[in-house]
Amino acid sequence: GQQVMQIPQYQHVQEGEDFTTYCNSSTTLSNIQWYKQRPGGHPVFLIQLVKSGEVKKQKRLTFQFGEAKKNSSLHITATQTTDVGTYFCADGTSYGKLTFGQGTILTVHP
Amino acid sequence: EAGVAQSPRYKIIEKRQSVAFWCNPISGHATLYWYQQILGQGPKLLIQFQNNGVVDDSQLPKDRFSAERLKGVDSTLKIQPAKLEDSAVYLCASNLPGTGELFFGEGSRLTVL
Repeated sequence: GQQVMQIPQYQHVQEGEDFTTYCNSSTTLSNIQWYKQRPGGHPVFLIQLVKSGEVKKQKRLTFQFGEAKKNSSLHITATQTTDVGTYFCADGTSYGKLTFGQGTILTVHP
Repeated sequence: EAGVAQSPRYKIIEKRQSVAFWCNPISGHATLYWYQQILGQGPKLLIQFQNNGVVDDSQLPKDRFSAERLKGVDSTLKIQPAKLEDSAVYLCASNLPGTGELFFGEGSRLTVL
């Protein structure tokens, strides 16, 4: 997997505000996976994106894969306190190895 | 369905001591991974097994770390001797070959004093 950079490192929002985290690579990504890790917990799979320009939605979460397959984003609409945690993107290889970004820590203030 | 089991959950040792972590993947998952997650960072792959064979161990510090999966089911990760910088959470994950989603265990938190 390629090295992926995530921004921002931290994001503090008021409950109800939107949140977006970005994942960028200097080279073409094979596929992108997104994981959520609650404080003190373990990473939990959210979604995998494979196709150029792909957009997938899960309730209030929208995931995008760039046309050039060099970037991806996760957008949360109307954040809730249950959204608190660290969101990681990870670049995957054909044989299953994942290279994780450094994550974006989301704090939601009620 | 039972998840990925790991033990111990917590371990505190002094530098230069040894430690071992155990992982039992989800039944039927041929691929098993050990990741190291240092506080504030993303997980870093240490070693990947498929059945009892090593697929990738390029980031495993082989002078002090070793891992085995002798019967292709459960796995052990050992550190000997431990250094202060080994303080981290050691995450085990598994999946079916060719599928994307990794299933992680709760992790083993190591503190080296």
